[in-house]
Amino acid sequence: QQQVKQSPQSLIVQKGGISIINCAYENTAFDYFPWYQQFPGKGPALLIAIRPDVSEKKEGRFTISFNKSAKQFSLHIMDSQPGDSATYFCAATYAGGTSYGKLTFGQGTILTVHP
Amino acid sequence: NAGVTQTPKFQVLKTGQSMTLQCAQDMNHNSMYWYRQDPGMGLRLIYYSASEGTTDKGEVPNGYNVSRLNKREFSLRLESAAPSQTSVYFCASTPLGAATDEKLFFGSGTQLSVL
Repeated sequence: QQQVKQSPQSLIVQKGGISIINCAYENTAFDYFPWYQQFPGKGPALLIAIRPDVSEKKEGRFTISFNKSAKQFSLHIMDSQPGDSATYFCAATYAGGTSYGKLTFGQGTILTVHP
Repeated sequence: NAGVTQTPKFQVLKTGQSMTLQCAQDMNHNSMYWYRQDPGMGLRLIYYSASEGTTDKGEVPNGYNVSRLNKREFSLRLESAAPSQTSVYFCASTPLGAATDEKLFFGSGTQLSVL
């Protein structure tokens, strides 16, 4: 079963626009929510992450919004650039003990930013 | 530093053949993981090793075995390859298994086709 559902599957944005990717999770025990960025032929790399004790986290042009009651979180990319074109994965895990690396990933979103 | 190194990068097998995917990290990380990536399904955890000398099953362990050879190396073995194991395989590591803002460091992947 897919415990983290991600949408949309693909997204096309013009340069300078806002890219928004949404995720919903089922397991309320999850307490750490990272986003990974993957370029073709490369492994995923951590982009930004959030814990459920805050509703928003911003790093540069990237912002995570978190809604604990709705069990949803989203990635916003402001002023999107062609270099942001990549596949983005949301994920969820338990932040305790040895469980950190046991991520449950969403299906992925292929983002294309047109110049 | 090389980070996480996976070999081979590409492999084609016939159904029933066996092979071992190799992974090594030079960051002195304790925990290591094997994920597979399939279109529309994100990444799914196959096996992991929280520390040297321990291994545990992930979400999709059937058809695979692993060996944590030492702190640096974690191999994934397919004893009798099946077409359903056609995928891109990623090895990853983290410094600790504890509850911190740690990130997974991924290798660049092995693209495996089983005919």
